[in-house]
Amino acid sequence: AQSVTQPDIHITVSEGASLELRCNYSYGATPYLFWYVQSPGQGLQLLLKYFSGDTLVQGIKGFEAEFKRSQSSFNLRKPSVHWSDAAEYFCAVYGGATNKLIFGTGTLLAVQP
Amino acid sequence: EPEVTQTPSHQVTQMGQEVILRCVPISNHLYFYWYRQILGQKVEFLVSFYNNEISEKSEIFDDQFSVERPDGSNFTLKIRSTKLEDSAMYFCASNPWASGNGEQFFGPGTRLTVL
Repeated sequence: AQSVTQPDIHITVSEGASLELRCNYSYGATPYLFWYVQSPGQGLQLLLKYFSGDTLVQGIKGFEAEFKRSQSSFNLRKPSVHWSDAAEYFCAVYGGATNKLIFGTGTLLAVQP
Repeated sequence: EPEVTQTPSHQVTQMGQEVILRCVPISNHLYFYWYRQILGQKVEFLVSFYNNEISEKSEIFDDQFSVERPDGSNFTLKIRSTKLEDSAMYFCASNPWASGNGEQFFGPGTRLTVL
């Protein structure tokens, strides 16, 4: 069965520092992968997605992610974090015949001044 | 830009009462979904809906839950007899592809509180 693992529950970085959030997936075929961000009390905003092609995908707000099939990973990166990036980040993969989204448990990002 | 809307934003109900959560998906989208997120936990799939019938449902989606697209624009989730553990944020999503591929567009969510 498809699954997503986000090994880091909580990460704290300093403003201006680089960021990498880890995501590992389990999926038999070529996965469709997503990163969503959720600010407190808010809905889910899509940061970026990977369907096929270039394994390095660019998203909104300066985020990027790299698909590595050999490592079953889709890590999210940002070169310089801003205080407004503090939020919870969810990695997700499509699964099943109806392409329901299967989410990881999320990584809560805190940004120190 | 078209968006998915959900009403109400917050619903408070007594245990055992029926609630209906409403969603208006993006027009011309074909696949519809409900997800829920219990406070502090991950987002979980409940049900997918296509061509006026349920395509897939999770084990969470038991006989207490039902979905309907009553008028071609609204997409509703009904919980017949709410339990304390139904307290969660409920998200509606829609997808423009008949195949279910592509990006799902999420609504802002309805926070359901069961007392």
